[in-house]
Amino acid sequence: GEDVEQSLFLSVREGDSSVINCTYTDSSSTYLYWYKQEPGAGLQLLTYIFSNMDMKQDQRLTVLLNKKDKHLSLRIADTQTGDSAIYFCAEILRDDKIIFGKGTRLHILP
Amino acid sequence: EAGVVQSPRYKIIEKKQPVAFWCNPISGHNTLYWYLQNLGQGPELLIRYENEEAVDDSQLPKDRFSAERLKGVDSTLKIQPAELGDSAVYLCASSLVNRAGNQPQHFGDGTRLSIL
Repeated sequence: GEDVEQSLFLSVREGDSSVINCTYTDSSSTYLYWYKQEPGAGLQLLTYIFSNMDMKQDQRLTVLLNKKDKHLSLRIADTQTGDSAIYFCAEILRDDKIIFGKGTRLHILP
Repeated sequence: EAGVVQSPRYKIIEKKQPVAFWCNPISGHNTLYWYLQNLGQGPELLIRYENEEAVDDSQLPKDRFSAERLKGVDSTLKIQPAELGDSAVYLCASSLVNRAGNQPQHFGDGTRLSIL
């Protein structure tokens, strides 16, 4: 069945780069998304990548997609305290169904 | 542009009571989604509307949950009667789906439901 997996926790020092990884199982995905969720809030769309792309860069964010290994990563450059949140990886399948991972909680160390 | 608006933000009720959540999607978005998010989990789809038609309600527990989107804009999600296991965050999202493809889903802040 379809599944999206992420590590649950990541700790990074302020100013360093954060790399959040995600693996998915369904090769028919059309888009892959990264959402950010702060406490008590809904999911905020950070960025997304089409399944026929390898990389997308948007300011401090870099998304890398390895379709062969079904691996997606989100790199946050110069991590700030405001980046502390839960990051969800999600894939959109051809039938428009969206599958979310369980989220990676990013903790920023001073 | 106003985002997806949900109300109430918080709801506390006793088990077996009814409860309703309301969602106003982003203007122009024809597709609306209701999700359930348990603590430490990602959102799970309950129901998806395209305009006023429910196109995917396979994960909606129909014995106690119901939803409607009468005019293809606002939507309500109802639980009757509520059970202890229904305590969770209920998220609404909307997107524009057309021939050019599906645009990303935008989420509201959710309603946090606590069942006593």
